[in-house]
Amino acid sequence: QVTLKESGPVVVNSRETLTLTCSVSGFSLSDGRMGVSWIRQAPGKALEWLAHIFSNDETSFRTSLQNRLTLSKDTSKSQVVLTMTNMSPVDTATYYCARRLLDTDSFDIWGQGTTVNVSS
Amino acid sequence: SSELTQAPSVSVSPGQTASITCSGDNLGIKYISWYYQKSGQSPVVVIYHDKKRPSGIPDRFSGSNSGNTATLTISGTQALDEGDYYCQAWDSSTVVFGGGTKLTVL
Repeated sequence: QVTLKESGPVVVNSRETLTLTCSVSGFSLSDGRMGVSWIRQAPGKALEWLAHIFSNDETSFRTSLQNRLTLSKDTSKSQVVLTMTNMSPVDTATYYCARRLLDTDSFDIWGQGTTVNVSS
Repeated sequence: SSELTQAPSVSVSPGQTASITCSGDNLGIKYISWYYQKSGQSPVVVIYHDKKRPSGIPDRFSGSNSGNTATLTISGTQALDEGDYYCQAWDSSTVVFGGGTKLTVL
């Protein structure tokens, strides 16, 4: 069974750095057919894509946030780690990681999401 | 980067057909996926590659994509179809989501 699970702090202070971990099971992060994205959703708002890591470790980022984001993976631990610097209250959201299946070009499996509140 | 535009809301009567559109420049040359999100839950893909249904998705869900518009069609809409629907595309190596459409079944 393929699963993804996000973990990280529930509350961060403004100007701090957020670190989120996506732990995956049921597939390998080195599988050339897979990739993992981070997507967030502010309360009552739409889905907003943040970043993606491909099986070859290449990364891509949302243009407006690329200066604040870093993304890496540890294949041996089956984890993908997202860091976002200089957090502010507008970054309060539920953060999801999701698997992209190359065969379908879609996000076929999503994590349950983790809610992050940024305190001013 | 490209933008995908969706109407904020669509209403449909039970048993009728709901059409949810997603527009963007030359959308027809890209593959579109559609996601359904029930309140408080993670999104679920209901259509990929414009018109293909993942295993387990009812055949009342269908999709099309041509020109500047992709359409998700739900035939025989049921109350359990109520929720938010998002279109999504890849733009080079980045991802774009539409703003979402809230489907109300009344």
